[in-house]
Amino acid sequence: KNEVEQSPQNLTAQEGEFITINCSYSVGISALHWLQQHPGGGIVSLFMLSSGKKKHGRLIATINIQEKHSSLHITASHPRDSAVYICAVKSSGDKLTFGTGTRLAVRP
Amino acid sequence: GAVVSQHPSRVICKSGTSVKIECRSLDFQATTMFWYRQFPKKSLMLMATSNEGSKATYEQGVEKDKFLINHASLTLSTLTVTSAHPEDSSFYICSVTGDPAQPQHFGDGTRLSIL
Repeated sequence: KNEVEQSPQNLTAQEGEFITINCSYSVGISALHWLQQHPGGGIVSLFMLSSGKKKHGRLIATINIQEKHSSLHITASHPRDSAVYICAVKSSGDKLTFGTGTRLAVRP
Repeated sequence: GAVVSQHPSRVICKSGTSVKIECRSLDFQATTMFWYRQFPKKSLMLMATSNEGSKATYEQGVEKDKFLINHASLTLSTLTVTSAHPEDSSFYICSVTGDPAQPQHFGDGTRLSIL
């Protein structure tokens, strides 16, 4: 069993829909990251959080430390949101352990 | 603007060639850089942690003589894939970290294809 599990693996949405991507982890962590990887491969860090909730534009990330669970929400989704979203946890030092990613396609 | 510059973005070369990939931190001095490998539709796998002025720390199963890492300055780390073979074809990406309380910054990656 992977230390970091994401669901769903693939997600197709219609433009404007509210999207939720889930991440569960099995180890103690100091922080959790949500990353966005575009088709060309480049990775952008969206959020780093260790408790509560963060919001940036149409993106919201939440984490429940007790339940070892985090969610990434996208409101009013747009085709440009199409990408792979990756959850990663930092458990020791600066090393990250990555989930397998959620491939999101938003149709116009 | 970009915080990390990774070059080249794409390499196609013959089997047996050695390929060097550079990762530069543009905005801050990075004592630690990370090198990852990613197969198609798979998760990123940490290959090694590059420490400025000292030897890299390799993850289990990664051949240090195959994947040479040099972190000669606080802004530059290089990964050299020596005597590359088709099975080394993959997407390689680096990340840098300055402040552990801040997110890692990733390069745009290098797509390596060995013929």
